[in-house]
Amino acid sequence: RKEVEQDPGPFNVPEGATVAFNCTYSNSASQSFFWYRQDCRKEPKLLMSVYSSGNEDGRFTAQLNRASQYISLLIRDSKLSDSATYLCAVNTNAGKSTFGDGTTLTVKP
Amino acid sequence: NAGVTQTPKFQVLKTGQSMTLQCAQDMNHNSMYWYRQDPGMGLRLIYYSASEGTTDKGEVPNGYNVSRLNKREFSLRLESAAPSQTSVYFCASIMGQGGAYEQYFGPGTRLTVT
Repeated sequence: RKEVEQDPGPFNVPEGATVAFNCTYSNSASQSFFWYRQDCRKEPKLLMSVYSSGNEDGRFTAQLNRASQYISLLIRDSKLSDSATYLCAVNTNAGKSTFGDGTTLTVKP
Repeated sequence: NAGVTQTPKFQVLKTGQSMTLQCAQDMNHNSMYWYRQDPGMGLRLIYYSASEGTTDKGEVPNGYNVSRLNKREFSLRLESAAPSQTSVYFCASIMGQGGAYEQYFGPGTRLTVT
């Protein structure tokens, strides 16, 4: 079993739709959690950090459930520009990061 | 402030050749990482360096060596390239030690081994 698993997708949604991605992790010692966005043939860039209390940034909401060991990302009112691959990442306190395989989102007009 | 830079951007090697991928960051970050990303897959950690002078193996270290030359630079060496090492290689750095902070990535090196 992989340490970090994501919905494989792809997700194809119309503009304006709400879409949610989930990510589960197996290492209970994991300390920090992130969502990254990766455009085609580009490097990943931080989208959001994920906190136990949940956090929101505009149309994006991230949640962490430590008891069930999963994190989620909700995108509301999808835009064409949201089309990308979304990677979840889990860090241990030793500084090691493990990434999921990514979920590809395509937003269509 | 260039962030994380990688050279070269593209490289084609023949099986058995060697090469070094260079990575440098100007953000005074302590920790640095090397990942590979194969088509349709996530990032797999090859090696990381929590601080200057230390290196540790990640998930897929076989066939690679690393050097943390100083705080700024972290290089990845392929001693004898194999077709299975065809991939996109990303270098990343992180502020501080431990896992509390996000990673900053370089633009990647696209390596093909024939």
